[in-house]
Amino acid sequence: SQTIHQWPATLVQPVGSPLSLECTVEGTSNPNLYWYRQAAGRGLQLLFYSVGIGQISSEVPQNLSASRPQDRQFILSSKKLLLSDSGFYLCAWSLSGGSTDTQYFGPGTRLTVL
Amino acid sequence: AQSVTQLGSHVSVSEGALVLLRCNYSSSVPPYLFWYVQYPNQGLQLLLKYTSAATLVKGINGFEAEFKKSETSFHLTKPSAHMSDAAEYFCAVSARGGGFKTIFGAGTRLFVKA
Repeated sequence: SQTIHQWPATLVQPVGSPLSLECTVEGTSNPNLYWYRQAAGRGLQLLFYSVGIGQISSEVPQNLSASRPQDRQFILSSKKLLLSDSGFYLCAWSLSGGSTDTQYFGPGTRLTVL
Repeated sequence: AQSVTQLGSHVSVSEGALVLLRCNYSSSVPPYLFWYVQYPNQGLQLLLKYTSAATLVKGINGFEAEFKKSETSFHLTKPSAHMSDAAEYFCAVSARGGGFKTIFGAGTRLFVKA
């Protein structure tokens, strides 16, 4: 069966510090991968998606970036965090070429920028 | 282009009462429709999905949703609410064959009173 991991689970960082959140998927090959942000009381905002190694599409211009160094690894980064980067970050995967587009979510990372 | 609107950011029901969470969508092509549930500080879990088979879709935990094309709706119902149903619920839409973008609604938080 497939599983998706995210770490860390929680993170408190000062403004201006760097960020690295990691997501890995097990039990499937060549998945589509996604990063979402969920701000308090708001829905999900798609930040990045990837259909393959090194292939990243950005949905929202911001100070975040994403990378996919391996097939089942997806990393979200920032060089300098802003207060507005606080939120709950969710990684998700779906089958490549999947006909129903169901997404499977990780447990999330709670990021607080102070 | 696609969009989804969830009517009511908060819904409160008594235990044992009917649960009705409303979702309307807009899509220029035949859609896939989803309901996800999110428990506090966790990722989203798929409750059910519509992919052009039966218009009445049954999901986990006794939930079901009916696809009504004429009303562009996909409302989520459960005949009898349980305390464990308290969570946030997200309606989502994606385009068949559209690949990678699933649009999520803003979410509806369900409260269940004893």
